[in-house]
Amino acid sequence: EAGVAQSPRYKIIEKRQSVAFWCNPISGHATLYWYQQILGQGPKLLIQFQNNGVVDDSQLPKDRFSAERLKGVDSTLKIQPAKLEDSAVYLCASSLGPDRGETQYFGPGTRLLVL
Amino acid sequence: AQSVTQPDIHITVSEGASLELRCNYSYGATPYLFWYVQSPGQGLQLLLKYFSGDTLVQGIKGFEAEFKRSQSSFNLRKPSVHWSDAAEYFCAVGSNTGKLIFGQGTTLQVKP
Repeated sequence: EAGVAQSPRYKIIEKRQSVAFWCNPISGHATLYWYQQILGQGPKLLIQFQNNGVVDDSQLPKDRFSAERLKGVDSTLKIQPAKLEDSAVYLCASSLGPDRGETQYFGPGTRLLVL
Repeated sequence: AQSVTQPDIHITVSEGASLELRCNYSYGATPYLFWYVQSPGQGLQLLLKYFSGDTLVQGIKGFEAEFKRSQSSFNLRKPSVHWSDAAEYFCAVGSNTGKLIFGQGTTLQVKP
């Protein structure tokens, strides 16, 4: 079974530029998560999708971050404009459903450096 | 508020020695608890999870964890550590909506 795919793996941009990350979840997984992991911290949820609807985006900085999951499969996360503090690893995860005992499977992450 | 605390930021053990990583949680109801491992440059891999039943949970790679409700703890253990176990370990609690709330992680270094 293929895992969660993410691209790019690494990205370096200058502040105020824009950047987009892509995630392809495990086939059949209805729930998709984007987490932000700042160096030295645990991952924190940015946004959660159930199929193509948003379940939780309370921690997403909506003035600069946006995300979509068209057709309930792939997802993109965009930052525009980027700030220095956005330097982090962006992890995508998927699960069969939103139940709190459901296992989440993580992709390898996209490491973003904002200069 | 739901939260997870991992008191040890960095732990060093000798290869072959036993390991215990601490995790304390705060959650209003019966918690769903997870341990994940993250190797450098890789995503998180599930080691084990607990949501009911036997309080001693067996996981992959020889790891186990014990849920102690009275202490709000879910400590991870391994009887004999291998050099390949060097990584970062995260404890997490599952919220009602499914999202994971992670601790800050413990970095494990293994001495030869």
